Amino acid sequence: GAVVSQHPSWVICKSGTSVKIECRSLDFQATTMFWYRQFPKQSLMLMATSNEGSKATYEQGVEKDKFLINHASLTLSTLTVTSAHPEDSSFYICSARDPLAGGFTGELFFGEGSRLTVL
Amino acid sequence: KQEVTQIPAALSVPEGENLVLNCSFTDSAIYNLQWFRQDPGKGLTSLLLIQSSQREQTSGRLNASLDKSSGRSTLYIAASQPGDSATYLCAVRYNQGGKLIFGQGTELSVKP
Repeated sequence: GAVVSQHPSWVICKSGTSVKIECRSLDFQATTMFWYRQFPKQSLMLMATSNEGSKATYEQGVEKDKFLINHASLTLSTLTVTSAHPEDSSFYICSARDPLAGGFTGELFFGEGSRLTVL
Repeated sequence: KQEVTQIPAALSVPEGENLVLNCSFTDSAIYNLQWFRQDPGKGLTSLLLIQSSQREQTSGRLNASLDKSSGRSTLYIAASQPGDSATYLCAVRYNQGGKLIFGQGTELSVKP
């Protein structure tokens, strides 16, 4: 299947700093990428849909000024957690759809995740 | 409200057993359903994707079935192995470009 890569895989930062997480589609072009957040022992919560060349669409309750998403190219989307606080500590996962995979099946491929710990 | 539920939340079986994981969804008008595997601290690996027009998909020891009318899908794992230990998530989508709605997952432990 298609490969989605995230970087960094883990990051520790001080409260008040900003952290950027990258999501790359390595072998396909992704016009749309999705950012999820996962708390321990819980399922994935969609935060926002990232569209190449336009503004991201945020889910209800997600602060767009807190979680900045940029999708500047067909292979890269970034999530920046601004002024991070301990409650932002979580596992962040991105996914992307390869529109050419399997004849528009809509299958989503996920990155390895990025664990953020805010001290 | 469109919700996905997985039962059981956790399952422990001895090696070699065949097992079934269940997934139910409240709105049956799905576009497709996808089963994933997640190892601790890792991302998701896609296992099987079933389109709304399909009844089942198979990959190796895995078989996923879909019954849209009853709002259910099952993931059957044959001859389970310790390496199958992981959390299994199902997720549904209601249109081609739409978001995935995830269940809470079933944490599977296969004992040697």
